[in-house]
Amino acid sequence: DSGVTQTPKHLITATGQRVTLRCSPRSGDLSVYWYQQSLDQGLQFLIHYYNGEERAKGNILERFSAQQFPDLHSELNLSSLELGDSALYFCASSVSSNTGELFFGEGSRLTVL
Amino acid sequence: QQQVKQSPQSLIVQKGGISIINCAYENTAFDYFPWYQQFPGKGPALLIAIRPDVSEKKEGRFTISFNKSAKQFSLHIMDSQPGDSATYFCAASRAGNNRKLIWGLGTSLAVNP
Repeated sequence: DSGVTQTPKHLITATGQRVTLRCSPRSGDLSVYWYQQSLDQGLQFLIHYYNGEERAKGNILERFSAQQFPDLHSELNLSSLELGDSALYFCASSVSSNTGELFFGEGSRLTVL
Repeated sequence: QQQVKQSPQSLIVQKGGISIINCAYENTAFDYFPWYQQFPGKGPALLIAIRPDVSEKKEGRFTISFNKSAKQFSLHIMDSQPGDSATYFCAASRAGNNRKLIWGLGTSLAVNP
């Protein structure tokens, strides 16, 4: 158990809808990262927050947004969903913003029909 | 442009054999090279990591070999076991306030009993 909690574990929705994925980092970790993992696509970095502030953006679509709240939990919002958004979405946390040691949650599997 | 190239994409090894996964990088500023292990249905977990001031690091049956001049590093799994069957990701990052991991595309390892 990494200590990172993601909800929901599974989510099935329709095209055009909006969903919110939630992540609770390990106790004491200030950094939260979001990744997308599709079949044969490896891990695509989406966005990084540190102590409530956005620190880096990766290949995150404009239809997607995220935030980190004062209690350090984070939410990833996916809107106007398309079939191609079906993927595993991972949250990871780390104690600081300059460490390469990330602790991943078990992911949220999104299926868009 | 893929900055960390990982090979092979998939690997089948017999129980007791040696599994070798290779990664090559381009950015000479990288100073941290981790390997993550991901089991089906789980998030990636840090397995072992190395910094460029050493050429080899060993933890149990897992060894990272690092060749700075060739800009390559590899993961060796000695005495491979069926329980090692997983996807392995190499990554690289450079120092900074927002250390960002650059990921390889992963290697799916199957160890036959």
